[in-house]
Amino acid sequence: DVKVTQSSRYLVKRTGEKVFLECVQDMDHENMFWYRQDPGLGLRLIYFSYDVKMKEKGDIPEGYSVSREKKERFSLILESASTNQTSMYLCASSLPSQGIGGNTIYFGEGSWLTVV
Amino acid sequence: AQSVAQPEDQVNVAEGNPLTVKCTYSVSGNPYLFWYVQYPNRGLQFLLKYITGDNLVKGSYGFEAEFNKSQTSFHLKKPSALVSDSALYFCAVRPIGGYSTLTFGKGTMLLVSP
Repeated sequence: DVKVTQSSRYLVKRTGEKVFLECVQDMDHENMFWYRQDPGLGLRLIYFSYDVKMKEKGDIPEGYSVSREKKERFSLILESASTNQTSMYLCASSLPSQGIGGNTIYFGEGSWLTVV
Repeated sequence: AQSVAQPEDQVNVAEGNPLTVKCTYSVSGNPYLFWYVQYPNRGLQFLLKYITGDNLVKGSYGFEAEFNKSQTSFHLKKPSALVSDSALYFCAVRPIGGYSTLTFGKGTMLLVSP
């Protein structure tokens, strides 16, 4: 089974702090994603990566950055946390999506971040 | 740009009755379509997907979904609901080919009463 592991399930951070959310997948997937989930808004894509050291902006990248130094690891960084970044953050991975293949995206358990 | 609509925020059904969770989509070209389920305080779990071929797709936990190209719909169904099916359900779409990512609907809460 695919395993996507998010290192922190629950975090409480102060406004202005730098926050790191870590994600590791064990299936050698090329693609990795960070989503944010808010009630009534569904899932919104923050950033994704098709390969090591490669990143693409999603729908809501403002206030976030990412790092992918190794294939299995994809980190989400909040440079200066703000209260409107309080949310559930979901990491996901998949095989390549270009060309054929509706490859399934597999999700981690989520990280609940509260910024106070 | 692709989009997904889940017109119902919540669906209520009695245990043992059939259930339907609706999804319509908009995409350029032919779609890949997915359903995911989320239990409280958990990540999303894959249920089923439509790639090509038979319009009726069977997935996990007895769920199935029917792809209707003319109505651009991909409704999730189950013949007999269980209380344990109560969860948040997400429909998602992406066009075939290219590098585009999945676009998710806002989710539908399914509540199955005993």
